[in-house]
Amino acid sequence: DAGITQSPRHKVTETGTPVTLRCHQTENHRYMYWYRQDPGHGLRLIHYSYGVKDTDKGEVSDGYSVSRSKTEDFLLTLESATSSQTSVYFCAISESGDRYNEQFFGPGTRLTVL
Amino acid sequence: LAKTTQPISMDSYEGQEVNITCSHNNIATNDYITWYQQFPSQGPRFIIQGYKTKVTNEVASLFIPADRKSSTLSLPRVSLSDTAVYYCLVGNNNDMRFGAGTRLTVKP
Repeated sequence: DAGITQSPRHKVTETGTPVTLRCHQTENHRYMYWYRQDPGHGLRLIHYSYGVKDTDKGEVSDGYSVSRSKTEDFLLTLESATSSQTSVYFCAISESGDRYNEQFFGPGTRLTVL
Repeated sequence: LAKTTQPISMDSYEGQEVNITCSHNNIATNDYITWYQQFPSQGPRFIIQGYKTKVTNEVASLFIPADRKSSTLSLPRVSLSDTAVYYCLVGNNNDMRFGAGTRLTVKP
């Protein structure tokens, strides 16, 4: 399996608090992605990174920010968590920036915002 | 971006071949077709990808007709461990999105 870890794996927080999720990879892949998955939906892209300090928005980026200061780490921050951000968050990595090519996914973080 | 339509769920029995069809009528010439598998409490895992005709790897085959408006993922001789959600994605180098997927249940 690709070397991708996510932390924390589970988190419960309250509305209005800041939350940061971490994705760490050992594959030295250039591209990293954050998705969210909600019941009845597939995965939706929040933000992605195409290199250190290079990031861009996905289809559901409102309320989220990201940072990538090192190749191996991609952070997702909810500045002020809302109940609508209760979800399972997946990080993914890929060697190629072509979105149709294989992405390797992490184990996910289950976030509950009360 | 082409919209994909898959059955919500399918049932099968161990040892059978399973075919999951995905409809993508508005596929563009620069779009590829990719399938992922997702087990409960895990991230999706890439299964197979194709552009046209047939692609086969060690776990599945992907059949794409000439008009590319649909595709069929074929899983030979499924086992209980193939119970999962299967996603058909259509997209290009700039955008590719997951749909709701097909929940496959393999019964003994």
